[in-house]
Amino acid sequence: AQKVTQAQTEISVVEKEDVTLDCVYETRDTTYYLFWYKQPPSGELVFLIRRNSFDEQNEISGRYSWNFQKSTSSFNFTITASQVVDSAVYFCALSEAGGGGATNKLIFGTGTLLAVQP
Amino acid sequence: EPEVTQTPSHQVTQMGQEVILRCVPISNHLYFYWYRQILGQKVEFLVSFYNNEISEKSEIFDDQFSVERPDGSNFTLKIRSTKLEDSAMYFCASTTTGISYGYTFGSGTRLTVV
Repeated sequence: AQKVTQAQTEISVVEKEDVTLDCVYETRDTTYYLFWYKQPPSGELVFLIRRNSFDEQNEISGRYSWNFQKSTSSFNFTITASQVVDSAVYFCALSEAGGGGATNKLIFGTGTLLAVQP
Repeated sequence: EPEVTQTPSHQVTQMGQEVILRCVPISNHLYFYWYRQILGQKVEFLVSFYNNEISEKSEIFDDQFSVERPDGSNFTLKIRSTKLEDSAMYFCASTTTGISYGYTFGSGTRLTVV
């Protein structure tokens, strides 16, 4: 069965601190995709990253970085030098994409509310 | 960058009324989805649609719900007789496959049932 666990419900940091959001997933498929989305107070889902199961390279994009470790089924997200504008709910999600796409639903974690204080 | 467009952004309806939520997916995408997010909770899969038929639906997607792609561009979610617990944000998404696989979400329709 597919499952995504985000154990951190809420995190509060002070601006300029680094913060890591944890994501642990479960799947039986060998081909899958992992995603991170940001949901600001306005409610839309903002795509941050997609990673496929065959690419374990870590990725950095500006202040954002992602650590994908298949050995621990984790896909953690770090924000360096956090800013107030980073305050949002962050969702990790899993898609089992091995079947060609027709039922590639996303399974979301419960989200982590990040509050960055000035 | 191509977008998934959802209308309306906010809809208020009375309990028992029918509502239709509308979405225009990205034109070359082939797979379409509806998701629901009750306030403060996680985003949940409702239904996927491919080749003009439902390919998968969750247990949330009961007989009160239906989807349609009436004209090749719009993708609609109908709730036949709304309940208070249908109040949520509804997201439409579309995807393609292959190397460009990605998930594009619309900005959502906030449905309030009173």
